[in-house]
Amino acid sequence: NAGVMQNPRHLVRRRGQEARLRCSPMKGHSHVYWYRQLPEEGLKFMVYLQKENIIDESGMPKERFSAEFPKEGPSILRIQQVVRGDSAAYFCASSRAGAGSTEAFFGQGTRLTVV
Amino acid sequence: AQSVTQLDSQVPVFEEAPVELRCNYSSSVSVYLFWYVQYPNQGLQLLLKYLSGSTLVKSINGFEAEFNKSQTSFHLRKPSVHISDTAEYFCAVISSGGYQKVTFGTGTKLQVIP
Repeated sequence: NAGVMQNPRHLVRRRGQEARLRCSPMKGHSHVYWYRQLPEEGLKFMVYLQKENIIDESGMPKERFSAEFPKEGPSILRIQQVVRGDSAAYFCASSRAGAGSTEAFFGQGTRLTVV
Repeated sequence: AQSVTQLDSQVPVFEEAPVELRCNYSSSVSVYLFWYVQYPNQGLQLLLKYLSGSTLVKSINGFEAEFNKSQTSFHLRKPSVHISDTAEYFCAVISSGGYQKVTFGTGTKLQVIP
């Protein structure tokens, strides 16, 4: 059973470009979470999605960031018009259940560098 | 709202010596507690978790943590560290019965010195 798959592992974008980060949850998991880890900081929650629904986006920056988890295919975290401050590691996690879940499984992360 | 405090950003320790990584949390509701480990340029791996029951929980590689409700602490310990334990360790909480909106501490880098 493959774990949470994120791609690409490393992504370099110039300022002003778009970044698209993909996350395929573990088999049987329909709950996906995105976290951001800035240099020298812990992980910060960004957004929680179920299939076709955004449940909690309280950690998402108000502009340029969006996330989706379509019925088919991976979850996508999209960052438009990237700036240097977006450089970070972005982690995806998935769980089988929503409320009452006792564990989430994390992917290897996508390390975004904005030059 | 919840918060997690890891006061020690870096902990150097000699190989085979004991270590304790401190974690305190704050929450107005009951929580589940976790320790995650992150090796360089890797993702997070769950080390151990406390959900309920016995307050002492153990991992397969010799780490243990004890939930102390009165002190709101969940310190991580290992009696004898190995070089391979060099990594960053994150304490984390979620609301029990809630979904996996995890609140992480800022992490403690454990450096094991040969």
